[in-house]
Amino acid sequence: KAGVTQTPRYLIKTRGQQVTLSCSPISGHRSVSWYQQTPGQGLQFLFEYFSETQRNKGNFPGRFSGRQFSNSRSEMNVSTLELGDSALYLCASRTTGGITEAFFGQGTRLTVV
Amino acid sequence: AQSVTQLDSQVPVFEEAPVELRCNYSSSVSVYLFWYVQYPNQGLQLLLKYLSGSTLVESINGFEAEFNKSQTSFHLRKPSVHISDTAEYFCAVMETSGSRLTFGEGTQLTVNP
Repeated sequence: KAGVTQTPRYLIKTRGQQVTLSCSPISGHRSVSWYQQTPGQGLQFLFEYFSETQRNKGNFPGRFSGRQFSNSRSEMNVSTLELGDSALYLCASRTTGGITEAFFGQGTRLTVV
Repeated sequence: AQSVTQLDSQVPVFEEAPVELRCNYSSSVSVYLFWYVQYPNQGLQLLLKYLSGSTLVESINGFEAEFNKSQTSFHLRKPSVHISDTAEYFCAVMETSGSRLTFGEGTQLTVNP
């Protein structure tokens, strides 16, 4: 069974640009969550999607957005990039969104220059 | 809201020595507890979880953690570590009614020969 796949693995963008990251969950998983990992702030929850609906949202500015498609694949978008957006972005999928185990992808390393 | 404190940012030990990684949490509601491990340039892997029942939970690779409700702790232990256990370990909580993981700051375990 394939794991959670995140693309691309690495990305370099310039301040002010926008970026889209992709996450393909494990087959059959309908919940996808996104987390930002930085040395200073650690792991922080961005948002969760379940059945194409945003079910939960963390404390991030509106520049961070996401969506989920009917096949459960999810994208997150960051507009007007800032240097502080440089981070490892992790996606996690689970079967029903409840207490089932969250499986993480390898992440996308975003560097903003 | 919940918070997680990992009391040690770095723990160096020698191979075959015992180790304890400490985790305390704060929450006004019931939570589930997790330990995740992250190897360099990788995502997070679930090590073990406490949902209910026996307060002592074990992983397949020799780690164990004990849920202590009165002390709001979930310390991770291993009686004899290997070089391959070198990684960053994250303690996390999740509300029993939710699906968002709140992580601690992480503990870097370094096992030296």
